[in-house]
Formats: sequence, structure tokens, C-alpha cells
Amino acid sequence: DAKTTQPPSMDCAEGRAANLPCNHSTISGNEYVYWYRQIHSQGPQYIIHGLKNNETNEMASLIITEDRKSSTLILPHATLRDTAVYYCIVPKIKAAGNKLTFGGGTRVLVKP
Amino acid sequence: NAGVTQTPKFRILKIGQSMTLQCTQDMNHNYMYWYRQDPGMGLKLIYYSVGAGITDKGEVPNGYNVSRSTTEDFPLRLELAAPSQTSVYFCASSTQGATNEKLFFGSGTQLSVL
Repeated sequence: DAKTTQPPSMDCAEGRAANLPCNHSTISGNEYVYWYRQIHSQGPQYIIHGLKNNETNEMASLIITEDRKSSTLILPHATLRDTAVYYCIVPKIKAAGNKLTFGGGTRVLVKP
Repeated sequence: NAGVTQTPKFRILKIGQSMTLQCTQDMNHNYMYWYRQDPGMGLKLIYYSVGAGITDKGEVPNGYNVSRSTTEDFPLRLELAAPSQTSVYFCASSTQGATNEKLFFGSGTQLSVL
């Protein structure tokens, strides 16, 4: 997987937008950016993924820079239940077995 | 539709004991995975399978064995439990898509080896 760099932790106020950055400067042209999150003691949960265009779903928005070297996950209205570790992953395209490598992620604490 | 189901949720083993962690999925996914997560760390891939009868090693396979006799089940076997295997174990599955596909995870098995 391409190396990704995320801040180890960040705080966010409840009701405000949370912007989570991720650097992936070695990304190849056909590699996707994936985001997962892990709420305490639970299995990771898929959030969103994208290639080059911005993406939005019911959980979040993903903004990928034009050069694709970085991206930002946006939680538009953070709630206390969004407190979790967020992982940015850039898997090798069609890697054998569709394997993912989870690094340290960003520990997000949503405060009331 | 239960998704990925892992049993047991908790287990305590003595050093040298053996056990099997069970994982089953009802989504007809070809790909299945076993990860372990030590406290405060990210997940590490132990073994994975791309279909019934096919398994391969991940990043940390030593001390573990797997089998995949059916599409639904992917058990993880610990033969001689060691304290270093104290961890939370997650099973996951995914479809076989044209590009990387999203993984669905189970709720985990917390294992302590004393």
C-alpha cells in the first residue's frame, strides 16, 4: 500500500465540521483512497473511497486534491458517536486478496 | 443478514493451550481475512483467503493456521498459545471486484493468554 501520513489525534466540537487530513504523496494514478473508522472495541467500518473526484455519501465527504497527493475527510456535523480512530488507506490496485494495511490513524475526540 | 459473525467474543487461554476462533459470513464474499490488533496499535493482517480452498499468509502468520473449506467459514487456529498472542482478533470479508472493494468486519474476539 502507498504510505499515508495522518495526524495522531484531533479534537472537534459537537455539531461542527471535522476535517481530517491525509497525505499520500506516493499514490499512483489508478490507486484509490479509502477511509475507515474504528469506534472503541468494534471492528473497523468503511466510510468512503474515491479516485480523483470529490465524493459524498450519507456518512462523510471526501475531498482529493488535484495532484492526488493528499485528501481530507469531512464529517459535516460531528456527533459524540463520531469519536473514533479514522484510518486513511491507499491499497495497491488489485492487490492479491484485496488486502488493506491499517496504520496508526487519527484519533478523533468529539467534545460536547 | 448477519454480515460477519465471530465467536467467541472473549476467551482466556493458558500458555500452551490451543483454540479455534470461528468466523462466518452470509454475504457470499469470496475474500476473507484475519487481523489482530494489539492495544493502541493498528490492525495487522495474519492470513487471508481469496476463495474456498485457497489461503495465504499476511504480515504476521507465525503461530496461527487457517483453513477455508467453504465460502462462508474461515476459522483461525492457535496451536500453542503464547502471551504474545494476547490481542483482539478481527475477521473480515469482501467481494472480488474489478478494483479494491470495501471490507466488512466482525465485532472481534478478545483473547488473553496467561
